[in-house]
Amino acid sequence: DVVVTQSPLSLSVTLGQPASISCRSGQSLVSSTGDTYLTWLQQRPGQSPRRLIYKVSNRDSGVPDRFSGSGSDTDFTLRISRVEAEDVGVYYCIQQTHWPWTFGQGTRVDIK
Amino acid sequence: EVRLVESGGGLIQPGGSLRLSCAASGFAVSSHYMSWVRQSPGKGLEWVSVVFDGGSRFYADSVKGRFIISRDSSKNTLHLQMDSLRPEDTAVYYCSRDLWLWGQGTLVTVSS
Repeated sequence: DVVVTQSPLSLSVTLGQPASISCRSGQSLVSSTGDTYLTWLQQRPGQSPRRLIYKVSNRDSGVPDRFSGSGSDTDFTLRISRVEAEDVGVYYCIQQTHWPWTFGQGTRVDIK
Repeated sequence: EVRLVESGGGLIQPGGSLRLSCAASGFAVSSHYMSWVRQSPGKGLEWVSVVFDGGSRFYADSVKGRFIISRDSSKNTLHLQMDSLRPEDTAVYYCSRDLWLWGQGTLVTVSS
């Protein structure tokens, strides 16, 4: 199985400051079609997950533009340009290139 | 409005069986890839299974041979048949469309 490693596992951020979460995979996530299937999800406390970003950098409709995804091959990053109170929660990356799909451990974001 | 509603969770003894359902509204389950993702208490997300619009099905190694994903187009519902349940299968089970739309989850507790 492809191991997906997130860092840090916990992040405490001052309101209005940026935050960055890393997601690294044990194998290249470039598929045979040339697409890279790396997705970012947000799970607020007590809620179901919500997709933020798909195929590395495509932001879902309704997701604030302060969220951005970047990266390639085995190294990916989710950035929040200015953290707001509603961003508190756990963030997960998941690779969907190789079977079985595998999640990172999750990164907990809270407000300092 | 697009929506997913899971049902069928509960307390079951080890070795028992349970069938989860996920009723979809606002779209056809047969037109999207539909997944089950679970979350053990206080833990991260774990992908369980997916069925694609073309009918292909894939499973996590931890459930292969014990769980079966299916869909009923006439009722627009996704199912997860879970057999030979183990205590480590205890989790909230979420269904999802494209990992974009998520249900509220249903709790499965495997315990004697």
